[in-house]
Amino acid sequence: GAGVSQSPSNKVTEKGKDVELRCDPISGHTALYWYRQSLGQGLEFLIYFQGNSAPDKSGLPSDRFSAERTGGSVSTLTIQRTQQEDSAVYLCASSLLQGGDTFGSGTRLTVV
Amino acid sequence: QKEVEQDPGPLSVPEGAIVSLNCTYSNSAFQYFMWYRQYSRKGPELLMYTYSSGNKEDGRFTAQVDKSSKYISLFIRDSQPSDSATYLCAMKWVIGNQFYFGTGTSLTVIP
Repeated sequence: GAGVSQSPSNKVTEKGKDVELRCDPISGHTALYWYRQSLGQGLEFLIYFQGNSAPDKSGLPSDRFSAERTGGSVSTLTIQRTQQEDSAVYLCASSLLQGGDTFGSGTRLTVV
Repeated sequence: QKEVEQDPGPLSVPEGAIVSLNCTYSNSAFQYFMWYRQYSRKGPELLMYTYSSGNKEDGRFTAQVDKSSKYISLFIRDSQPSDSATYLCAMKWVIGNQFYFGTGTSLTVIP
């Protein structure tokens, strides 16, 4: 597609449930980032994928968070046993090189 | 202390005004500096990307980096109502993958 596509755009889940958030990057973009944006906060780095290299997971806030990138394209961010503090907008960005310069519109996650 | 500090505003200016948006940072190792514009319920959009110190101009937008003061600025000339958005600064070391973002400044340009 022409841009970075994220789904779902909105997700409401009950505390304790698992959720999966999907990112379809721009075709051919080798770098992919996941960020979290909470109200009044800047973007918080979560994880970075570059080609076939091992991902940089240094930003994941706990072991409840994990991410995969299959075939160097689509990525899935999984949050297990969701907590209310996980409520935020989760943004994905892709680029040809490091730069994260094309963002999707995000998934707005609400944990109730 | 946060790595990147940005005044959240809100900032309100009349159409045609010159807007100045700023960020300060604490880590002198930052070498890449970016400005993003984010409309409500949309992802950030890259406006300007600069390396090290100096100025960069693109249309009505000018980005300045003063590494000695650890201070970056984005100037918008002849501001338009369509410029109303949240502006985020971001920066990065040469080595490493993580971008550090400011919290964003909310700008409203009044017709």
